[in-house]
Amino acid sequence: RKEVEQDPGPFNVPEGATVAFNCTYSNSASQSFFWYRQDCRKEPKLLMSVYSSGNEDGRFTAQLNRASQYISLLIRDSKLSDSATYLCVVAFSNDYKLSFGAGTTVTVRA
Amino acid sequence: DVKVTQSSRYLVKRTGEKVFLECVQDMDHENMFWYRQDPGLGLRLIYFSYDVKMKEKGDIPEGYSVSREKKERFSLILESASTNQTSMYLCASSPADRADGNTIYFGEGSWLTVV
Repeated sequence: RKEVEQDPGPFNVPEGATVAFNCTYSNSASQSFFWYRQDCRKEPKLLMSVYSSGNEDGRFTAQLNRASQYISLLIRDSKLSDSATYLCVVAFSNDYKLSFGAGTTVTVRA
Repeated sequence: DVKVTQSSRYLVKRTGEKVFLECVQDMDHENMFWYRQDPGLGLRLIYFSYDVKMKEKGDIPEGYSVSREKKERFSLILESASTNQTSMYLCASSPADRADGNTIYFGEGSWLTVV
């Protein structure tokens, strides 16, 4: 079983729509959580951290559910520029490495 | 501005060749990492280094080696390239004692094709 699993999508949505997707993690000792964005043939870049209480950054909302071991990302009022692959990233409390999901692809169409 | 530079963006090598992928960071970070990224598999850690001349195996070290002779430079070596090593390779660096998603910085990636 993979440590971090994501629905690969693709999620094809029209501009202005809301899109949401989840990421599940298997290790209950996971300490911190992040969403990264990766454009085609580019490096991953931090989109936002995910806090226990949930957090927003503009049109993006991230939630954490420790009991069910998943995090979510919701994008409101989608823009064409939101088209990308979104990577779920999990860090463990006593480890040196991050675990990455394979990514969820979102395509926003005009 | 934070900078991780990978010397080669696109390479085509023949099976059996020795391949060097170079990575330089200008942030004085202690930790450096090499990942490979394949469709459907996400990023997988090959090796990492937490200090000069120190290295640790990641999840998929087979067929690779690394070198860190200077703090700012971390090299990935494919001793004898094989077609299953065709992939995108990402170098990263981090200042923290442990990798933290807030403070890890990636290079632009090196696309390696082995024919």
